[in-house]
Amino acid sequence: GENVEQHPSTLSVQEGDSAVIKCTYSDSASNYFPWYKQELGKRPQLIIDIRSNVGEKKDQRIAVTLNKTAKHFSLHITETQPEDSAVYFCAASKGYSSASKIIFGSGTRLSIRP
Amino acid sequence: ETGVTQSPTHLIKTRGQQVTLRCSSQSGHNTVSWYQQALGQGPQFIFQYYREEENGRGNFPPRFSGLQFPNYSSELNVNALELDDSALYLCASSLGGARQTQYFGPGTRLLVL
Repeated sequence: GENVEQHPSTLSVQEGDSAVIKCTYSDSASNYFPWYKQELGKRPQLIIDIRSNVGEKKDQRIAVTLNKTAKHFSLHITETQPEDSAVYFCAASKGYSSASKIIFGSGTRLSIRP
Repeated sequence: ETGVTQSPTHLIKTRGQQVTLRCSSQSGHNTVSWYQQALGQGPQFIFQYYREEENGRGNFPPRFSGLQFPNYSSELNVNALELDDSALYLCASSLGGARQTQYFGPGTRLLVL
């Protein structure tokens, strides 16, 4: 069945350093890959997404890369700041007709050390 | 913040009871998806409604059911509650169609005793 694996489950980095979170997906028909940030007690918020016709996308300090052949995608956060501390979820979606079920990874708890 | 709202914010029920959770989608969105998020885990897809029809379902038993109304708001109903149903229930709205971005509501935290 459809599955998204996410690593690592926890990540601690020094403020100012970079953080990388990696995900793999099982369904080769997946074509949309959003990343969500969830702070404690709050809703998941979309921070960046990438579609299968693009290999890389960047938005200020955040970038996402996609390797369709290997079925891997990664989130890169540069120059980390204390407000980057949160749980990050990768996800994969196989849109068909009007449905867009999203399969989430298990999450990465990112802590930024001052 | 998104324009997606959910009610109630918190709920306590006992095993065997029934519960109804509500979601108002963002203006202009015709698709609502429901997710269950257990503590420390990622959201799990329950089902999706598009223009008042169920349009995709995850691995949840039939006691999880839903509705979408003409204004595209939605309800999630859970019958015969079990202890394992305790979780944060999230709805997300989108414009519909493949690969459309989903925007989450704040969630309803359900505790089953």
